[in-house]
Amino acid sequence: GAVVSQHPSWVICKSGTSVKIECRSLDFQATTMFWYRQFPKQSLMLMATSNEGSKATYEQGVEKDKFLINHASLTLSTLTVTSAHPEDSSFYICSANLSGDEQYFGPGTRLTVT
Amino acid sequence: KQEVTQIPAALSVPEGENLVLNCSFTDSAIYNLQWFRQDPGKGLTSLLLIQSSQREQTSGRLNASLDKSSGRSTLYIAASQPGDSATYLCAVKNQGGKLIFGQGTELSVKP
Repeated sequence: GAVVSQHPSWVICKSGTSVKIECRSLDFQATTMFWYRQFPKQSLMLMATSNEGSKATYEQGVEKDKFLINHASLTLSTLTVTSAHPEDSSFYICSANLSGDEQYFGPGTRLTVT
Repeated sequence: KQEVTQIPAALSVPEGENLVLNCSFTDSAIYNLQWFRQDPGKGLTSLLLIQSSQREQTSGRLNASLDKSSGRSTLYIAASQPGDSATYLCAVKNQGGKLIFGQGTELSVKP
């Protein structure tokens, strides 16, 4: 099946710094990738849709200047959390579509902001 | 606005039992419905995908049904095993391509 990887798997950063998370589709090309956030014991909330070669589409309530998304190639999308604060601590998961139907998810990145 | 609800929120069963997880959605105009499994601190593993024109899908001990008109889906797990313990998430894809998730059912299968 299709494989999506994320890096890093976990990261601890200090408040006010920026953190970049990478999402890669390893064995297929993805023109569209999705970024989700998951708080403990809660479900996944879609943050934004990342489109290769164009601007990301953000969901209502998600600050685009805080969560910068870049989809520079067909296999890589990055999410940068700028000026991170403790409330940004969460589990960030990306996904990609294969042939428009099934979505494949990465293993997630645990972000802790101290 | 599409809303997805899963019942129960948590379920504990002894090993060997058959069980049913429920998922309901408010807008029947869906593209497909997917069931996922999530282990603690991990990403999602796709279990079954049902297209909007389909009624059910089966994979091993898992069977998922879809009744689009009533806005319901069920995930049936036969002969449950301790290794089935995880959180099960239901998600519907709308016509715009976005996945809307339920809150999940946390399943514990006791040996």
